[in-house]
Amino acid sequence: QSVLTQPPSASGTPGQRVTISCSGSTSNIGSNHVCWYQQLPGTAPKLLIYRNNQRPSGVPDRFSGSKSGTSASLAISGLRSEDEADYYCAAWDDSLSGPVFGGGTRLTVL
Amino acid sequence: EVQLVQSGAEVKKPGESLKISCKGSGYSFTSYWIGWVRQMPGKGLEWMGIIYPGDSDTTYSPSFQGQVTISTDKSISTAYLQWSSLKASDTAMYYCARRYYDLGYYFDYWGQGTLVTVSS
Repeated sequence: QSVLTQPPSASGTPGQRVTISCSGSTSNIGSNHVCWYQQLPGTAPKLLIYRNNQRPSGVPDRFSGSKSGTSASLAISGLRSEDEADYYCAAWDDSLSGPVFGGGTRLTVL
Repeated sequence: EVQLVQSGAEVKKPGESLKISCKGSGYSFTSYWIGWVRQMPGKGLEWMGIIYPGDSDTTYSPSFQGQVTISTDKSISTAYLQWSSLKASDTAMYYCARRYYDLGYYFDYWGQGTLVTVSS
C-alpha cells in the first residue's frame, strides 16, 4: 500500500482535459513540494512536474500541476494518444527522510 | 548531457548474491545524491535508499534496511545496489536516479533500469 493515494486509472478522449489526484499527509505533501513522473510503457520514469507546478525543459505546457494542503493534482489538457502512460506523484516525507510515491494512475486515451 | 547507465539484466537463483551498477556521466557525480527505486512486475515505484557519492553517506528506506546494500565508487562515477542472498520476491526492475534539489527534492534523471529475475 503506497503512502500517497492516487486513483488506479483515468481515461479520456483525444482533446479532452483529465486530472489525476494525489492525497498524502502533513509529513509529505503537507510540508514538501510535489513532483510527478510519467512512465511510458516499457520505459523508465521521466520527471514531468517538479516543485508542485514547474515543468522541466521539453515538457509541453499541456501538463500542469497544483497543490493544496495535503493534496495535489496533475492536469493534462488537449489529451493525445502519446499521453497514454502511468503517472506517479511523489513527495519528500519528513518522517521517512526519503521520498514517497503514489501507487500510480494508468491513463488510457480512448 | 547527463546520463545514468545501468548494468544489464540478470537471472539468478535464490540464495545467490548480486551487485548491479549505475554509472553517471555528464555532471559532477560526487555532487548529487543517487537513489535506487524498485518496481515489481506490474506494480508501482518504491524508494529503496539513497547515497551521496561525495562521502558515501547513505540512507535506507525502513522497508529495505538490512535487505540490500548501497555503495559507490566515486573514482569511476558508479553507484551500486547489492544483495547477499536473493529471494524470489526480489524479482523486479531496479532504477537508479539522480536527486536534485530546487526548493524541493526530486529525481531529475533516471537510468534505463536493470531487470533482476530470481528463479530456481
